[in-house]
Amino acid sequence: SQQGEEDPQALSIQEGENATMNCSYKTSINNLQWYRQNSGRGLVHLILIRSNEREKHSGRLRVTLDTSKKSSSLLITASRAADTASYFCATVIQGAQKLVFGQGTRLTINP
Amino acid sequence: EPEVTQTPSHQVTQMGQEVILRCVPISNHLYFYWYRQILGQKVEFLVSFYNNEISEKSEIFDDQFSVERPDGSNFTLKIRSTKLEDSAMYFCASSEGRRTGELFFGEGSRLTVL
Repeated sequence: SQQGEEDPQALSIQEGENATMNCSYKTSINNLQWYRQNSGRGLVHLILIRSNEREKHSGRLRVTLDTSKKSSSLLITASRAADTASYFCATVIQGAQKLVFGQGTRLTINP
Repeated sequence: EPEVTQTPSHQVTQMGQEVILRCVPISNHLYFYWYRQILGQKVEFLVSFYNNEISEKSEIFDDQFSVERPDGSNFTLKIRSTKLEDSAMYFCASSEGRRTGELFFGEGSRLTVL
């Protein structure tokens, strides 16, 4: 199966609620990154967490990394309709020179 | 704010034709990438490029694909003889220094092979 797998594949919540997306991976990594993609658009980098970090914040985003479980989560607090997008985790495998993307979570924020 | 630009935004071609997709990375960036995304599917790595040579390529990046940085600003992806399954969105990306850092993506070129 995939290096990066997001869960859930789709998430629909009400505006103002928190959204949590999870990512699991298989091999040792240098860092893990989260990207956002609006429909039909390019990917936008949100946050990078290094393998020796456990938690990172950026505005309404909170990312955690558990290397023992090979998993990460992205929390978006106080969601807004504009947060509607697909969210991808991406990992840099140790020794590799590429970013490997997961399948993504499609997030819908209902007004 | 500096950005990665890609042209064309959409190209329709006949099967067997050659296609060149163009990208202008951010000017002080050193690492360049091509990814593709088949509609509704995951973003797949094709190739990375540094110091005027390919650093790494995926199984997808076969002999039909090539990349070039012809003039110090453009970064191109050529598909020599397109197949139906090459229909996808192709994204160019660049990164500043460390090859494992943040990637800046263009808006993509949608390729439709008929």
